Amino acid sequence: KAGVTQTPRYLIKTRGQQVTLSCSPISGHRSVSWYQQTPGQGLQFLFEYFSETQRNKGNFPGRFSGRQFSNSRSEMNVSTLELGDSALYLCASSSGTSTNEKLFFGSGTQLSVL
Amino acid sequence: GQNIDQPTEMTATEGAIVQINCTYQTSGFNGLFWYQQHAGEAPTFLSYNVLDGLEEKGRFSSFLSRSKGYSYLLLKELQMKDSASYLCAVPVVTTSGTYKYIFGTGTRLKVLA
Repeated sequence: KAGVTQTPRYLIKTRGQQVTLSCSPISGHRSVSWYQQTPGQGLQFLFEYFSETQRNKGNFPGRFSGRQFSNSRSEMNVSTLELGDSALYLCASSSGTSTNEKLFFGSGTQLSVL
Repeated sequence: GQNIDQPTEMTATEGAIVQINCTYQTSGFNGLFWYQQHAGEAPTFLSYNVLDGLEEKGRFSSFLSRSKGYSYLLLKELQMKDSASYLCAVPVVTTSGTYKYIFGTGTRLKVLA
């Protein structure tokens, strides 16, 4: 069974640009959640999609958005990039039906904003 | 509010035992997870506790006390490959009636030869 796949692995952008990150979940999983990871803050929850609908949202500005397609693949978009957006962006997949199920993470996209 | 606290960094010697603590304050409780994350890699699941007590899984054990809002991860017979960050996470129910996971900042463990 293939794991969670995130592309690209690395990205370098400049301030003001926008970026789109992609996440393909494990086959059969309908929930995809996104996290921002920085050294000082740990994993911060961005949002979660379940069956093409945003089910939960974290406390991030509207510049951060996402969507999910009918095959459960998800994309995350950040517009008008700021230096502080430099981070590792992780996505995780699960069936999304129970609080006792573990998350399966992708290896992440390392975004650097110059 | 919801909050999870873990020590930032710990150091231990190969072959020793180390205990990584996690305290949480959440409205309601639906279990607690531990994940391991090696540098530059994805976090991977280690353990899940929902009832009080100790769960043993090989060299790793996890303990939970719901009344104290406290958990720890115990690593025995430490190996160099155990050098990693250890993340504590708790699922919390949201206003929509679904749930999301809250993570601690992680504990970076260094194992020295």
